[in-house]
Order: sequence, then structure tokens, then C-alpha cells
Amino acid sequence: DSGVTQTPKHLITATGQRVTLRCSPRSGDLSVYWYQQSLDQGLQFLIQYYNGEERAKGNILERFSAQQFPDLHSELNLSSLELGDSALYFCASSPRGTHEKLFFGSGTQLSVL
Amino acid sequence: SQQGEEDPQALSIQEGENATMNCSYKTSINNLQWYRQNSGRGLVHLILIRSNEREKHSGRLRVTLDTSKKSSSLLITASRAADTASYFCATRDTGGFKTIFGAGTRLFVKA
Repeated sequence: DSGVTQTPKHLITATGQRVTLRCSPRSGDLSVYWYQQSLDQGLQFLIQYYNGEERAKGNILERFSAQQFPDLHSELNLSSLELGDSALYFCASSPRGTHEKLFFGSGTQLSVL
Repeated sequence: SQQGEEDPQALSIQEGENATMNCSYKTSINNLQWYRQNSGRGLVHLILIRSNEREKHSGRLRVTLDTSKKSSSLLITASRAADTASYFCATRDTGGFKTIFGAGTRLFVKA
């Protein structure tokens, strides 16, 4: 158990819908990272937050947004969902003072039908 | 876009043999890490090597880094069936906050 909690584990929804994925980092970790893993694109970095502020942005679509709350949990919002958004979404956190070692949650499997 | 490219994409070996996976990357880095992923599960950090290091060991793992060639290798010695997983290299570029993953090598160890 990495200590990073992601909910829900599975999500099935329809095209055009909006969903929210939730992540609680390990106790004490200030950084949260979001990744999307699909068969054709591999593991893509989406966005990183540090202590509530956006720190780095990757290949995140405009239909996607994220935030980190004062209690350090983070949410990834995916809207106007398309079939191609079906993927495994991972959250990771890293220890305070370093961004070198990421601890991953078990992921949310999103299926858009 | 992905920073690292692993080679081979897939590898099948017998238990007890050594497994070698390679990773190439494009930009200057602070460090390079290797992660393991069991099917459909979260990634687990295995080992980190800094840009000023050439080789590092951890148990049955040996990692090398050649910054002049922008490449790294992961050697798993005396492999076990339980080593069956996907292995990813990840890089953190200088001055950046992103950790970018390669496409991964799928390792299958036959008992």
C-alpha cells in the first residue's frame, strides 16, 4: 500500500458527461501529480500541484481541469467526455522537500461508452 | 510527449536468467528513475540514479547511466516469475518539475 488513495476505482459513463476523480496524497506529502495511462499513449503526465498551487502542466486537455485543496487532496475533473478519454488515471505524491520519488495510487479506471 | 524510450518493448526469459532493459531520453536530466507496474496496478518506485552517478545497485537490480549517450539500462539478475511486470524509466529534467515516463518494457519471466 503506497499510502495514496484514489476514488473511485472504476467509473463507467457516457460520452458528453462530466466526472470527478479524487486523490488523497500520502500523509505529509505536499505534491500531487496526475497521469493518464492508455494503451496507445502510454503514461502521460497531465498536471502537478504543490501545496495548493499548480506547479507544472503537461498534456492536459482544455476539457480537463484539476485543483488541490487546503487539506491537500486533489480532484481531476474531466468534462465533455469522449471515447478516447477511456484510460487508467493515476495520482501520485512525492515526499516533502523532494520530487524525486513518486508514490502512486492504484488508479481510477475510466470507461466512456 | 514522452521523454524516455524503452527497449525492448517486450522481453520473455526463463526464470534464473538476467533481464536487461534500456532507456533513452532526450533532454538534460537531474535524475533517472525506474518503476515497476504489475498489470493494471499503480507504479512502484524501484531505484533512482542521479546525473552525476554512473552505476547503482539495489538487491538484484543494477542501473547504469550514460549521460553522454542519454541512456540508461536496468539489469535484473536471477529473475523470478514474480518479476513479471512492466518496467518504466522516468526522467526529471533540469530546472523542471515534471517526471516524464517512457513507454515501458513488458517483462515476462517463465517459471
